[in-house]
Amino acid sequence: DAGVIQSPRHEVTEMGQEVTLRCKPISGHNSLFWYRQTMMRGLELLIYFNNNVPIDDSGMPEDRFSAKMPNASFSTLKIQPSEPRDSAVYFCASSRTSGRKGTDTQYFGPGTRLTVL
Amino acid sequence: GQQVMQIPQYQHVQEGEDFTTYCNSSTTLSNIQWYKQRPGGHPVFLIQLVKSGEVKKQKRLTFQFGEAKKNSSLHITATQTTDVGTYFCAVSRGDYKLSFGAGTTVTVRA
Repeated sequence: DAGVIQSPRHEVTEMGQEVTLRCKPISGHNSLFWYRQTMMRGLELLIYFNNNVPIDDSGMPEDRFSAKMPNASFSTLKIQPSEPRDSAVYFCASSRTSGRKGTDTQYFGPGTRLTVL
Repeated sequence: GQQVMQIPQYQHVQEGEDFTTYCNSSTTLSNIQWYKQRPGGHPVFLIQLVKSGEVKKQKRLTFQFGEAKKNSSLHITATQTTDVGTYFCAVSRGDYKLSFGAGTTVTVRA
């Protein structure tokens, strides 16, 4: 199994530009999570999908952030326009929902390190 | 926001020594998970604790869930350089999401 795949691994862009991060979850997993990690705020959940449907996007910072999951094997996180304070490592994680809430192991991708100049 | 507090935030350990890191909650937890993130890496699942007073071991790592299910600990014996990284506890918020603690970052002096 290839694990969770994220691209790009590194992204450097200028303020105001659109950024699109991509994620391919583990095959057979039906839940997908986008996290942001910074030194100041730690690991924050941005949005959570179950069976390709956004369940909770309360962690999305503002309207500049949007996420989609058009099918079970692909998700995107878009920032438009990007700002320097968006610089962080963005992780995608997936899990196979067992039906027992809170007991599913999450498998993280390698992350995308975003730098907005 | 985070529902759990992890202490200490940083742990500097002499190689070969033991140490313990703690995860504390003000509310009763249904279960708790522990993850490890190596420098420059991504969080990797270590273990899950579900039962009150549960103790699980993975080689030199011992995980414990408190009797009241409000706290958990990770004890590492004979620390090695491979133990370097940040250890996170994560708790469920009553659904399929996890809330991660701030982590304990471990460095090892050879």
